[in-house]
Amino acid sequence: ETGVTQTPRHLVMGMTNKKSLKCEQHLGHNAMYWYKQSAKKPLELMFVYSLEERVENNSVPSRFSPECPNSSHLFLHLHTLQPEDSALYLCASSQGIGSYEQYFGPGTRLTVT
Amino acid sequence: EDQVTQSPEALRLQEGESSSLNCSYTVSGLRGLFWYRQDPGKGPEFLFTLYSAGEEKEKERLKATLTKKESFLHITAPKPEDSATYLCAARMDSNYQLIWGAGTKLIIKP
Repeated sequence: ETGVTQTPRHLVMGMTNKKSLKCEQHLGHNAMYWYKQSAKKPLELMFVYSLEERVENNSVPSRFSPECPNSSHLFLHLHTLQPEDSALYLCASSQGIGSYEQYFGPGTRLTVT
Repeated sequence: EDQVTQSPEALRLQEGESSSLNCSYTVSGLRGLFWYRQDPGKGPEFLFTLYSAGEEKEKERLKATLTKKESFLHITAPKPEDSATYLCAARMDSNYQLIWGAGTKLIIKP
């Protein structure tokens, strides 16, 4: 595997389900990000981790819970989601939190029913 | 308020028809302006970083330019494979977070 990978690529879940999104980066980076992308809207930064420590939580509802067990892996745990949470969830990594070049995974297309 | 606005929202061109995409920004203390390409079903792919007004960067049929208020992505003699959504983002001196535009969807017809 190369670059940034994300699983699953597609996820359909009910409002009462609990699921997790997984991201893995094979680039040796030390910063990782979760973004939400909705149609025709700018990317929304959700969480940032630097050296496995969370450095940013942009007022994200508690039904989204991130986890970064090491510098290569990032998870987004989901529970009791709302239909408006349906979107493309993108993971990215960079060499240093201030680095300009962020490398993105292919995303997980989430549909909440 | 710091903001990045891209125009047009969508652009349809014939193959070989050159044009430009616009990214205007209102941020205090620009530290960098970034262009990404996003294909359907994929994450954004980094294209360019511009740091100061007057700077230009090129890659194949794409050239990015920067002024004090906006950036342009010029596409010369585009091909159908250039069809994608092009995103721009700005970074301020005071914050590492990127401010993203909503993107321009570019469609090149053969």
